[in-house]
Amino acid sequence: KAGVTQTPRYLIKTRGQQVTLSCSPISGHRSVSWYQQTPGQGLQFLFEYFSETQRNKGNFPGRFSGRQFSNSRSEMNVSTLELGDSALYLCASSATGNEQYFGPGTRLTVT
Amino acid sequence: GDSVTQMEGPVTLSEEAFLTINCTYTATGYPSLFWYVQYPGEGLQLLLKATKADDKGSNKGFEATYRKETTSFHLEKGSVQVSDSAVYFCALSDRVNDYKLSFGAGTTVTVRA
Repeated sequence: KAGVTQTPRYLIKTRGQQVTLSCSPISGHRSVSWYQQTPGQGLQFLFEYFSETQRNKGNFPGRFSGRQFSNSRSEMNVSTLELGDSALYLCASSATGNEQYFGPGTRLTVT
Repeated sequence: GDSVTQMEGPVTLSEEAFLTINCTYTATGYPSLFWYVQYPGEGLQLLLKATKADDKGSNKGFEATYRKETTSFHLEKGSVQVSDSAVYFCALSDRVNDYKLSFGAGTTVTVRA
């Protein structure tokens, strides 16, 4: 089975712009979660989608949003980018919710 | 809320040395416990897991035992290799929180030949 894929792998954006990241889960997995990884804050949970519904949300501002499509693919959007949004964004998929498999991440740099 | 505390790094070892990384947790429910590994420039890989007390997870020579009495899940490997150099994360998830993963800060391990 193919693993979790994320596109793009690298992205450079300017403050104030918006960005959309994409995640394709492992085939058959209906749960997709997003995490932000930074040197200062470590790994932080953003949100989780299951069958196109947001089931759980972390403590991030409303500029961070996401959605899931009927084929379980998910997108994450960040609007009005700030320098502090520079991070590695990781997507994880799960069949049961309990065991999550991560993609390689999207490295976002905001200048 | 749920939280994970793991040993501060970095840890530097010689090849064939014994590795242990301490991890303790706080959880309101009955969590599952995980160790993930991150190699440079990559995402996280699930290394091993344990879903209930006294379970032992093992993979690639690494082991960890779910100790409910000490709320711990320490990672061990008897003989490390240079290829084990990576960042190791202890994590927990709980059905009460819809399986949201809570991670420790990560421990950087460097193995020298």
